[in-house]
Amino acid sequence: DAGVIQSPRHEVTEMGQEVTLRCKPISGHDYLFWYRQTMMRGLELLIYFNNNVPIDDSGMPEDRFSAKMPNASFSTLKIQPSEPRDSAVYFCASSWDSAISPLHFGNGTRLTVT
Amino acid sequence: GDSVTQMEGPVTLSEEAFLTINCTYTATGYPSLFWYVQYPGEGLQLLLKATKADDKGSNKGFEATYRKETTSFHLEKGSVQVSDSAVYFCALSDQGSSNTGKLIFGQGTTLQVKP
Repeated sequence: DAGVIQSPRHEVTEMGQEVTLRCKPISGHDYLFWYRQTMMRGLELLIYFNNNVPIDDSGMPEDRFSAKMPNASFSTLKIQPSEPRDSAVYFCASSWDSAISPLHFGNGTRLTVT
Repeated sequence: GDSVTQMEGPVTLSEEAFLTINCTYTATGYPSLFWYVQYPGEGLQLLLKATKADDKGSNKGFEATYRKETTSFHLEKGSVQVSDSAVYFCALSDQGSSNTGKLIFGQGTTLQVKP
């Protein structure tokens, strides 16, 4: 299996622009998670899905952030409009089961908003 | 709510030194406990896990024992290598009735191993 695939690996954009991050989970995994990593705040869970349904989006910073999972093999995280404080590494992860199976992380998207 | 606390880094060691990274947790249910490792430029990957009290997880020379009485899951390795340099995250997952399926991570501890 190719693992969790994220695109793009790097994204540089100007403040106010829309940014879309993409994720393809491992086939057969029921759970998909979006995390954000910064030096100041560490690893933060933004939202997660179970069987394509959003379960908990309490970590989404504000209305500028939205996430979708239209099918079992694809998810997007959108920021509109982007701000410099959104600069971070965004990780997607998937897992087969919930509490006991490991998360499989993608290599992340490094977002820089200027 | 549930939480995980790790020792602050960076931890700097010489090659072949003994490693301990402390991790303690607070949880209302019966969590599974995990250690993840993140190498530069990569996502996190599972290093080891333990699903119940007194279990010992081990992998690649690393070990951690689930201690319910001290609510701890300290990571140890007897002889570190330069290639072990990475960021290590302790995490828990609640196996209780809520079973939300999400992990709660500590803040991460950076390990630097010098030759």
